[in-house]
Amino acid sequence: AQTVTQSQPEMSVQEAETVTLSCTYDTSESDYYLFWYKQPPSRQMILVIRQEAYKQQNATENRFSVNFQKAAKSFSLKISDSQLGDAAMYFCAYRSGYGTASKLTFGTGTRLQVTL
Amino acid sequence: GAVVSQHPSRVICKSGTSVKIECRSLDFQATTMFWYRQFPKQSLMLMATSNEGSKATYEQGVEKDKFLINHASLTLSTLTVTSAHPEDSSFYICSARGGVDTQYFGPGTRLTVL
Repeated sequence: AQTVTQSQPEMSVQEAETVTLSCTYDTSESDYYLFWYKQPPSRQMILVIRQEAYKQQNATENRFSVNFQKAAKSFSLKISDSQLGDAAMYFCAYRSGYGTASKLTFGTGTRLQVTL
Repeated sequence: GAVVSQHPSRVICKSGTSVKIECRSLDFQATTMFWYRQFPKQSLMLMATSNEGSKATYEQGVEKDKFLINHASLTLSTLTVTSAHPEDSSFYICSARGGVDTQYFGPGTRLTVL
């Protein structure tokens, strides 16, 4: 079974600075997807960024980028120019590429605080 | 991204009653829908997966007779908590996916059973 590990329960960053959230996963599959979801205090889960395992290029979405290291099974999220609105719980997630009903496996989350 | 709605956002009910939560994909057809439960300060726990027109597949430890899931159409899934008890109080989140594409989440329903 696949597992996702987020080793940082809490992180803090100053506004306008850069922060990196860590995520590692364990799988024997070669075809899969990786995601970062954000859950603000409203508790609405919001997709931040996704990465297909077959793509070598790291995904980027505006201020958010990932460092995908397939051999090391690492998938970290970098938030640049942090804003107060980035404060939230961040979940890393894995999904198998096999089957339309394949499930998301979530990490335990990292709570990000953004300070002035 | 795609929009998933969930209704109601909050519900309070008496012990022993049943509660229905609706989940709709508003701008795409959801071949697969997922129901999660989230306890405070914890990650999402998958309860069941449903495909349109098929019976739901429940995760281990989830009582299928207590948590009834119906995926009647490509845009609607419902979760009914039957004979609710205080221990069923939680935050329930639905999620929808079309094909092999990304999964989108509803805003969640806070259930309080008195």
